[in-house]
Amino acid sequence: AQTVTQSQPEMSVQEAETVTLSCTYDTSESDYYLFWYKQPPSRQMILVIRQEAYKQQNATENRFSVNFQKAAKSFSLKISDSQLGDAAMYFCAYRSAYRDDKIIFGKGTRLHILP
Amino acid sequence: AAGVIQSPRHLIKEKRETATLKCYPIPRHDTVYWYQQGPGQDPQFLISFYEKMQSDKGSIPDRFSAQQFSDYHSELNMSSLELGDSALYFCASLGRGEKLPGHNEQFFGPGTRLTVL
Repeated sequence: AQTVTQSQPEMSVQEAETVTLSCTYDTSESDYYLFWYKQPPSRQMILVIRQEAYKQQNATENRFSVNFQKAAKSFSLKISDSQLGDAAMYFCAYRSAYRDDKIIFGKGTRLHILP
Repeated sequence: AAGVIQSPRHLIKEKRETATLKCYPIPRHDTVYWYQQGPGQDPQFLISFYEKMQSDKGSIPDRFSAQQFSDYHSELNMSSLELGDSALYFCASLGRGEKLPGHNEQFFGPGTRLTVL
């Protein structure tokens, strides 16, 4: 069974600074998707970034980028120029590419932005 | 663009009552997933449907049942409600057609917040 582990329950970063959220996962599959979701106080689940395992290039979306290390099964999220609106719970997540499978979430990291 | 619609957005029930949550997927999406997120928890997969047939099942209590209808909307029926059923229930939809925007990706609805008193 696949698992997703986020070892940082909470993190804080100064506004305008850069922060990295860690995530590791375990799977025996070779093709899969990895995601970072943001859940603000409204509790809406917002997709931040997506990475296909077969792609070696790290995904980037504006101020958000990932460091995908397939061999190490590591998938960290870097947020540059942190803004107050980035304060939220961030979930790392996994989905198999072999079937339209369920998403498996990590426990989440709560990110605080300090003004 | 149309998104996933869930109703109601908030629901308050007493213990042992019944609740029905509804999910309307993005047009032309044929797959629906249900997730349960307890307070301070990560979302947990409950059940999924593809073309009106159950496709996968997670840790869904026997007191819960669900189905997908001919118009692809889905309903999650919860009976004999317990205090521990208080949670945010997400529905997500997925479309397989390659011409669909974001094909093969799950889109989440806003969730239904269920409170059991």
